[in-house]
Amino acid sequence: EDQVTQSPEALRLQEGESSSLNCSYTVSGLRGLFWYRQDPGKGPEFLFTLYSAGEEKEKERLKATLTKKESFLHITAPKPEDSATYLCAVQGGASGGSYIPTFGRGTSLIVHP
Amino acid sequence: SAVISQKPSRDICQRGTSLTIQCQVDSQVTMMFWYRQQPGQSLTLIATANQGSEATYESGFVIDKFPISRPNLTFSTLTVSNLSPEDSSIYLCSVVGEVRAFFGQGTRLTVV
Repeated sequence: EDQVTQSPEALRLQEGESSSLNCSYTVSGLRGLFWYRQDPGKGPEFLFTLYSAGEEKEKERLKATLTKKESFLHITAPKPEDSATYLCAVQGGASGGSYIPTFGRGTSLIVHP
Repeated sequence: SAVISQKPSRDICQRGTSLTIQCQVDSQVTMMFWYRQQPGQSLTLIATANQGSEATYESGFVIDKFPISRPNLTFSTLTVSNLSPEDSSIYLCSVVGEVRAFFGQGTRLTVV
């Protein structure tokens, strides 16, 4: 069974204070690891897909990295508008397992001005 | 990519009534997924909706409570029946593409 564990559950930062969110996973045949941003009361908004260990992707103040066991979402000099819940998900199935994404519980990020 | 239109975006319902949520996808897809997200929790898969066959429900979810229709390859509905306050959640429909999952805007349901 695929599993995703995100930490910390909640994170409070001052504006400009860089930090990282962690996503540990176990999956049968990784097809992709996804990061989403979710604002209160809305559906998840796609950020990144990572496919293999060593891969990195960047978008504005966010950078996602991937190893064989975990992914990090690095937030550099965050702004209050970065406040949201960040969800990590894995999609397996490359080796015959389920391809339905499995989601973590998310990290709730609050950035104070 | 896929664009999913989900409605209603929110509703407040009385106990014992039902709410039907609609999802329209801008392309044909074999499977559509329905999720529930309770306050402070992650996404929990309710069921997989296949066109032309009955939906496949995850453990803890039953057809009588969450009937699903899938009349064609671009549309699905989820009904939440006999509502109780514990059903207050965000409900999301989703499709899975080659590189990621796509989501509707979500339906925020409050049961009073």
